[in-house]
Amino acid sequence: GAGVSQTPSNKVTEKGKYVELRCDPISGHTALYWYRQSLGQGPEFLIYFQGTGAADDSGLPNDRFFAVRPEGSVSTLKIQRTERGDSAVYLCASSLNGGETQYFGPGTRLLVL
Amino acid sequence: DQQVKQNSPSLSVQEGRISILNCDYTNSMFDYFLWYKKYPAEGPTFLISISSIKDKNEDGRFTVFLNKSAKHLSLHIVPSQPGDSAVYFCAASVGTYKYIFGTGTRLKVLA
Repeated sequence: GAGVSQTPSNKVTEKGKYVELRCDPISGHTALYWYRQSLGQGPEFLIYFQGTGAADDSGLPNDRFFAVRPEGSVSTLKIQRTERGDSAVYLCASSLNGGETQYFGPGTRLLVL
Repeated sequence: DQQVKQNSPSLSVQEGRISILNCDYTNSMFDYFLWYKKYPAEGPTFLISISSIKDKNEDGRFTVFLNKSAKHLSLHIVPSQPGDSAVYFCAASVGTYKYIFGTGTRLKVLA
């Protein structure tokens, strides 16, 4: 079956612009996660959704970052007033009900110039 | 504060030999541990996991060992194959959803 998909695969933007990153989880998975991976680092937890609600957003670095999952399936990570330090690979993962193995998408590589 | 550490950034092993990747952690509350493999331009792929109530879990060529007293886990790959060449991340969690990842070890299996 289809795995987790993320679009776009690459995004180049200018400092100060707004970006949206999309994640399509595995069908039927109620839990969805966003991570950020900077160069030379492991993935870093950002936010966890169970259904439509954000169960844990403690990893979001500041209020420029926001994520939604309005229908409990597709999720969008939104970054306002992007900064060069936001450049990273943004990974999305999903799991069946939360608490099981997380399956990752290929990521969106964001470059802020 | 790095709660999960992979102190070896890279490892080279001959094909057919054993690969041993190590991971240390500091948080004694972690109760679930995993290993992921990552190829370039792809997302991490789940490899194997272990609960804190066990000290060993085996799946084919892959075995994970957990030493809770030393706060150490390791991944053994036997025999190593060229297709195993990738970056390996260990991860740990409390309550199984908020994974804390190490910085990864790049494994190169030489043919």
